[in-house]
Amino acid sequence: GDSVTQTEGLVTVTEGLPVKLNCTYQTTYLTIAFFWYVQYLNEAPQVLLKSSTDNKRTEHQGFHATLHKSSSSFHLQKSSAQLSDSALYYCALSPYQGGRALIFGTGTTVSVSP
Amino acid sequence: AQTIHQWPVAEIKAVGSPLSLGCTIKGKSSPNLYWYWQATGGTLQQLFYSITVGQVESVVQLNLSASRPKDDQFILSTEKLLLSHSGFYLCAWSPGTGLSGNTLYFGEGSRLIVV
Repeated sequence: GDSVTQTEGLVTVTEGLPVKLNCTYQTTYLTIAFFWYVQYLNEAPQVLLKSSTDNKRTEHQGFHATLHKSSSSFHLQKSSAQLSDSALYYCALSPYQGGRALIFGTGTTVSVSP
Repeated sequence: AQTIHQWPVAEIKAVGSPLSLGCTIKGKSSPNLYWYWQATGGTLQQLFYSITVGQVESVVQLNLSASRPKDDQFILSTEKLLLSHSGFYLCAWSPGTGLSGNTLYFGEGSRLIVV
């Protein structure tokens, strides 16, 4: 079946340094969309990035991700982490429109320290 | 603009008692609706989805049921709560069509503690 793997449960980074969150996937569908969601403490998840185009960089709020179908990956990166980036990040895939919708990874907690 | 509102914000309930959580979506006709569950420190688990009024599909039941009595309303319920029902329940909607058809937009969530 379809699945999303986030290998890091917790990533700690010093403010101002780069951060990278890994996301790989397995799917049998050809038409897919990928998302990164961010969930701040005691809040609901909100969409951070979305992409469905192979090898195209997508950016938002200083974060960027590129979908690489050849390696089944959609890693999230930021060149300079901020204290406000501390949150839970989910990678998700949608193999088709509507219906069962997004399949989420297990999430990666990012902790940014001064 | 579309808005999604969940109720109640939080509940503390006894094991064996009934539960009803709800959400309402305004500003979007015929949205796809979803219930997700998040255990403390856990991932987002999809429970139910509905594409149209009166039709609900189960993904993982967890001794819960869902109904869509109106186009803009989605209800999650159970007659007997278990300790394992504790967690954060999130209602979400997606347009279902168009370029952003599969983007999920979440409500504020309902936090449930079963004691």
